[in-house]
Amino acid sequence: EAGVVQSPRYKIIEKKQPVAFWCNPISGHNTLYWYLQNLGQGPELLIRYENEEAVDDSQLPKDRFSAERLKGVDSTLKIQPAELGDSAVYLCASSLRSFGDGAEQFFGPGTRLTVL
Amino acid sequence: AQTVTQSQPEMSVQEAETVTLSCTYDTSESDYYLFWYKQPPSRQMILVIRQEAYKQQNATENRFSVNFQKAAKSFSLKISDSQLGDAAMYFCAYRTMEYGNKLVFGAGTILRVKS
Repeated sequence: EAGVVQSPRYKIIEKKQPVAFWCNPISGHNTLYWYLQNLGQGPELLIRYENEEAVDDSQLPKDRFSAERLKGVDSTLKIQPAELGDSAVYLCASSLRSFGDGAEQFFGPGTRLTVL
Repeated sequence: AQTVTQSQPEMSVQEAETVTLSCTYDTSESDYYLFWYKQPPSRQMILVIRQEAYKQQNATENRFSVNFQKAAKSFSLKISDSQLGDAAMYFCAYRTMEYGNKLVFGAGTILRVKS
């Protein structure tokens, strides 16, 4: 079974440029998560999707960050414009559901963003 | 809000020996899950072991075991017979049993394994 796929693995951009990250969850997983991981820290949840609906985006900086999960499968996270402080690893995870059995989260390899 | 604290930024262990990583957490909930995740340089977060708070028996997975002290809100990870492949960043994480499945992570402990 294929795991969570993310692309690109690495991205280097100049500040004020836009950037987008893509995530393909494990087949059949209804819940998708985007996490931000700063250097030397644990991941922090940015947004959670139940199918195509964003049900927890309280930690997403909405002035510059946006996300979508069209058709409830793949998801894209966008930053526009990027700032120096956005340099971090962006992790995507998925789970079968978000409660009880089947709520185990499986993580992708992440995208390392460097903003110059 | 729940918090997770890992007080050891870095640990070292000799190959084949045993090491214990510490984790404490704060919560007002009575039922929850606790996890240890491993993140090697490839960045792929891998689940090492999980513990349900309502279970008194400590979880074990091959060379990995936990010491879960619910009253003390402590959840340490013991790695026996350490191998070079165990070198990684280890994260302790808390998950509520309520709807939402939110994971709260600690800051991590870098584990170095010496040959």
